[in-house]
Amino acid sequence: GAVVSQHPSRVICKSGTSVKIECRSLDFQATTMFWYRQFPKQSLMLMATSNEGSKATYEQGVEKDKFLINHASLTLSTLTVTSAHPEDSSFYICSALMTSPGTDTQYFGPGTRLTVL
Amino acid sequence: SQQGEEDPQALSIQEGENATMNCSYKTSINNLQWYRQNSGRGLVHLILIRSNEREKHSGRLRVTLDTSKKSSSLLITASRAADTASYFCATGDKLIFGTGTRLQVFP
Repeated sequence: GAVVSQHPSRVICKSGTSVKIECRSLDFQATTMFWYRQFPKQSLMLMATSNEGSKATYEQGVEKDKFLINHASLTLSTLTVTSAHPEDSSFYICSALMTSPGTDTQYFGPGTRLTVL
Repeated sequence: SQQGEEDPQALSIQEGENATMNCSYKTSINNLQWYRQNSGRGLVHLILIRSNEREKHSGRLRVTLDTSKKSSSLLITASRAADTASYFCATGDKLIFGTGTRLQVFP
């Protein structure tokens, strides 16, 4: 199956700093990528849809100035958590959409665990 | 709000037993997908069932879909300890996830 990577897998930062998370589709091109966050023992919540070459579409309640998304190429989307606070600590997961006739499938990255001190 | 809800929230069984998880959703769909997540890891796509399909098999997995009841079930037969994970259903192009079922299979 298709491979999606995330980097870093784990990051610890101080409150007030910014953290960038990368999501790469390694063996296919993805016009569309998605960013999710997941709190412990909870489901994934869609944060935003990242579109190559255009602005991301954010879900209701997600601050676009706090969670900056850049989808500069067909294989890379980045999520920057700006001025991070402890409540931003979470598991962030990206997915890349592989389009094929009749079926579009999302392939997920392994996730990034962010801890803000 | 989330589209789907899984039932049960948690399930513990012995190896060799079958595990059944249910998912209910709220709006009409084109397809429904099931994913698996090991603790602290990303998601693995298990199976997709289209709205015009009623049942689908993949190895030890059997998925059913009842669009009239807006529900789906995932059956894992002859479970193994390695099946221990959380299982989510998801619908829509943007994949709205259900609440998940945490399955634990004891050896």
